[in-house]
Amino acid sequence: QKEVEQDPGPLSVPEGAIVSLNCTYSNSAFQYFMWYRQYSRKGPELLMYTYSSGNKEDGRFTAQVDKSSKYISLFIRDSQPSDSATYLCAMSGAGGTSYGKLTFGQGTILTVHP
Amino acid sequence: GAVVSQHPSWVICKSGTSVKIECRSLDFQATTMFWYRQFPKQSLMLMATSNEGSKATYEQGVEKDKFLINHASLTLSTLTVTSAHPEDSSFYICSANRDSYEQYFGPGTRLTVT
Repeated sequence: QKEVEQDPGPLSVPEGAIVSLNCTYSNSAFQYFMWYRQYSRKGPELLMYTYSSGNKEDGRFTAQVDKSSKYISLFIRDSQPSDSATYLCAMSGAGGTSYGKLTFGQGTILTVHP
Repeated sequence: GAVVSQHPSWVICKSGTSVKIECRSLDFQATTMFWYRQFPKQSLMLMATSNEGSKATYEQGVEKDKFLINHASLTLSTLTVTSAHPEDSSFYICSANRDSYEQYFGPGTRLTVT
């Protein structure tokens, strides 16, 4: 079993839809949770960063972390064609040899149709 | 947001030669940088952790003599692929931590070995 599971999709939605992306994980040591967006042949771009459980909102994006269920989500409201990309969840433990080392999900390919 | 650059963005080299890739944090200092490798339609695989002023820490299965990492300053880390072979062809991406666990990625370097 992988430490982080993410449905690779692909996911196709119409413009304006609400998109829900999810990851589950097995390592209870993970404390920091991130969502990245990656366009083809580009490096990942940090979208959201959350510590421990809770919600965080930034514009059209909302990140949720439920540590009790080992489940994280990213919601995109009013999706746009420019949101079409691969979305990667990533997580990290706290300190020691785990410092900064990210474990990534497989990535979900999202396409938003005009 | 924090900016990380990579140079070159694309390189073609002949089998048996060495290639150096530079990773720079442009607007912040990074005591720790990371090097990843990504194959088409796959997620990022951590190769090594680069610490300023000390030896890099390599992930299991990564040949340290083949992938030489030097973190010469708080803003520069280099990855040298020595005696490159076609199977080393890949997308190499670096990242750096700015504050806490926020990790920012460079745009990537596409290496093709002929």
